[in-house]
Amino acid sequence: DTGVSQNPRHKITKRGQNVTFRCDPISEHNRLYWYRQTLGQGPEFLTYFQNEAQLEKSRLLSDRFSAERPKGSFSTLEIQRTEQGDSAMYLCASSLAFVGNEKLFFGSGTQLSVL
Amino acid sequence: SQQGEEDPQALSIQEGENATMNCSYKTSINNLQWYRQNSGRGLVHLILIRSNEREKHSGRLRVTLDTSKKSSSLLITASRAADTASYFCATKGAGSYQLTFGKGTKLSVIP
Repeated sequence: DTGVSQNPRHKITKRGQNVTFRCDPISEHNRLYWYRQTLGQGPEFLTYFQNEAQLEKSRLLSDRFSAERPKGSFSTLEIQRTEQGDSAMYLCASSLAFVGNEKLFFGSGTQLSVL
Repeated sequence: SQQGEEDPQALSIQEGENATMNCSYKTSINNLQWYRQNSGRGLVHLILIRSNEREKHSGRLRVTLDTSKKSSSLLITASRAADTASYFCATKGAGSYQLTFGKGTKLSVIP
């Protein structure tokens, strides 16, 4: 069991640059989620995929953020024109969709610092 | 936005003591889950309790749910130094895919 893998673990960028993060879910999991977490807070939902379809997106997600999950496998989260307020831990989680299963498996996250 | 609110925000106990954390939420739920997070790491699922259940056990963990008060509690018995972590409750509403997390309780278990 390789678990949920996220790359890179850390990313430092300058304000205004674009960044992209990658998430590899557990292989048989068809549900994939992105969350953002700032210091001292709980994770905040960003978006959800079932297979390759993006089915839910937070109202808080600005148009600078975009996520994809081509072929329903790995996913990428891109932030364009980064701002200092984007500094956070970006967490990916996956799960297997069947009745009664609501448990999420999280990756270790990508820590983004925008200077 | 975060629906759950954990209480207390921080808790410090001696090894061997029990730790109790509480969670309150605002809207009706399908289920409530507890997760644990070690510093700088991802979250690990601990236990799930459905809206029609009142109590659930898993090893040293006991979770209760009171839907009339919109609250839940997590009890860790006979705590160990390795239990030191942040604990989050998360709720899932009917018809929604997302889990909504609280701000967490930071537990420190002193050896």
